[in-house]
Amino acid sequence: GAVVSQHPSRVICKSGTSVKIECRSLDFQATTMFWYRQFPKKSLMLMATSNEGSKATYEQGVEKDKFLINHASLTLSTLTVTSAHPEDSSFYICSARGFLVQGAWETQYFGPGTRLLVL
Amino acid sequence: GDSVTQMEGPVTLSEEAFLTINCTYTATGYPSLFWYVQYPGEGLQLLLKATKADDKGSNKGFEATYRKETTSFHLEKGSVQVSDSAVYFCALSSLGTSYGKLTFGQGTILTVHP
Repeated sequence: GAVVSQHPSRVICKSGTSVKIECRSLDFQATTMFWYRQFPKKSLMLMATSNEGSKATYEQGVEKDKFLINHASLTLSTLTVTSAHPEDSSFYICSARGFLVQGAWETQYFGPGTRLLVL
Repeated sequence: GDSVTQMEGPVTLSEEAFLTINCTYTATGYPSLFWYVQYPGEGLQLLLKATKADDKGSNKGFEATYRKETTSFHLEKGSVQVSDSAVYFCALSSLGTSYGKLTFGQGTILTVHP
């Protein structure tokens, strides 16, 4: 149980285009989803927290107009990188937290990540 | 604010050696503590966790004990394998923060040689 998927796993796009990344919780309802960015050989940087049906909460320094997050259902959140530029190239990882078995609600389960390369 | 400090890497060991990766934390209240592992090219996987003082989390031969008195959650394994080569992240979740978001340590790269 507690499987989180991401799609696509890799994407290459041209500078100026927009890219959408999907994050799905496959076997549980994710009341909260998190989006992270990871630079090579670095830790994860939390970008934003989203709760189903409400606006995402962005971390300081993250451009909300550039990184659009939608959490339309309890099993799906999307991250859209708008007008992507080479500096947006990174590994984007989502995680989901929801109500699983008793006592496990606080655990975040991570997707496999999406590698974005902007040319 | 909350913070997690891990021992600097990288750590290089021979197969069957003993592993310790140190992790200390600062947090308000009583956080839950986690170890996540990231294999090359993959996302993070939960390795083990502990939710209260003196709890011991264990999985796949790894274990860590929640020590409130020393604010530590060191990861140990008695005999590492080549397949344990990965990046290990210590993290905490403090219920007092918004939505229980995770605070990560910087990660420790572990390489195990045959």
